[in-house]
Amino acid sequence: DGGITQSPKYLFRKEGQNVTLSCEQNLNHDAMYWYRQDPGQGLRLIYYSQIVNDFQKGDIAEGYSVSREKKESFPLTVTSAQKNPTAFYLCASTGRRGYTFGSGTRLTVV
Amino acid sequence: ELKVEQNPLFLSMQEGKNYTIYCNYSTTSDRLYWYRQDPGKSLESLFVLLSNGAVKQEGRLMASLDTKARLSTLHITAAVHDLSATYFCAVVFVVGSGGYQKVTFGIGTKLQVIP
Repeated sequence: DGGITQSPKYLFRKEGQNVTLSCEQNLNHDAMYWYRQDPGQGLRLIYYSQIVNDFQKGDIAEGYSVSREKKESFPLTVTSAQKNPTAFYLCASTGRRGYTFGSGTRLTVV
Repeated sequence: ELKVEQNPLFLSMQEGKNYTIYCNYSTTSDRLYWYRQDPGKSLESLFVLLSNGAVKQEGRLMASLDTKARLSTLHITAAVHDLSATYFCAVVFVVGSGGYQKVTFGIGTKLQVIP
């Protein structure tokens, strides 16, 4: 079955550390997205990519970086510059039925 | 500014009752999505509304879109406990001359159905 796989499901980051969240899709979708969700809040767009080797900043890109070297993969790095990274991170890609979301990664700073 | 507003933000209702969640948006769009999210889980696609006057129904949920009023509704009929979740609308906007599509989510409506 086609879908989006995010890993890990839970991630713990120490202060000053960079961490990378994985997002892989086998839906053959061109566009991929990263969202952040804080408790009781909606989704805020971090980065998006419409095509391989191209990506754009979303509304809250500071402290994050991405790459899009392959159509299937859109990893997100949370850098030490992101001062409040504890949140639920969702990766998505778009097709005819709108967004397909991954199962999410819950990142906690320890 | 691209804004999507949902109301109410929190809804507590008894089983068997009907209610409507509203999604207003700030500028022209002809594509809107509704999603469901259970606690700690990802978002599940419910409806894709692609044109003015679109109406879609699945079980006890019915969604509609009025692009002229910039309004979508999600109507719940005879609510059951299993419908308890947070519901999000998301609106597709075209930004810039390059035709990029940006999706803006509402903040969500937390629905609690009490047996």
